[in-house]
Amino acid sequence: DGGITQSPKYLFRKEGQNVTLSCEQNLNHDAMYWYRQDPGQGLRLIYYSQIVNDFQKGDIAEGYSVSREKKESFPLTVTSAQKNPTAFYLCASKQASSYNSPLHFGNGTRLTVT
Amino acid sequence: QKEVEQNSGPLSVPEGAIASLNCTYSDRGSQSFFWYRQYSGKSPELIMSIYSNGDKEDGRFTAQLNKASQYVSLLIRDSQPSDSATYLCAPQNQGGKLIFGQGTELSVKP
Repeated sequence: DGGITQSPKYLFRKEGQNVTLSCEQNLNHDAMYWYRQDPGQGLRLIYYSQIVNDFQKGDIAEGYSVSREKKESFPLTVTSAQKNPTAFYLCASKQASSYNSPLHFGNGTRLTVT
Repeated sequence: QKEVEQNSGPLSVPEGAIASLNCTYSDRGSQSFFWYRQYSGKSPELIMSIYSNGDKEDGRFTAQLNKASQYVSLLIRDSQPSDSATYLCAPQNQGGKLIFGQGTELSVKP
């Protein structure tokens, strides 16, 4: 079945450590997105990529980094510079060629930093 | 002004009633508009999409779009307890940037 796989589902890290969240899709989608969600809040855009080897900052990119070396993969690194990294992280993808194409979401990674 | 604003919740309606969810957006370049439903602890799932001014109906759901007023809404008829969730509005511009509203929590009481 086609879909988006985020791993792991739960992740625990100590403060000061970088951590990388995995996102893989087999939907053949061009565009991929990373969102962050805090309790009781909406989704805030971290980074997005419309094509391999290119990506744009979203509204809250500080303290995060991404790469898009392959169409299927869009890993997100939460660096030690991110002041409050504990959150629910959602990866999504869509066809970039059609603005009517909706986002498909992975099941999310819940990151806890102590 | 926030890029996307939704009516603040929680919104509580009795079972069988109509729930009305509203969303305004600031980017006049927005081309397509999506409504997602999110249950607690889960990822969002697509409910409706709308691209042209007017109404679009799908079962118990109706999306309404007015680009001149930069307004999009979602009506849920015959609300059921299973509709209790947070509803997220997401306009998309031509550049592919998809920004979400803060969400409106809906509670349908039996």
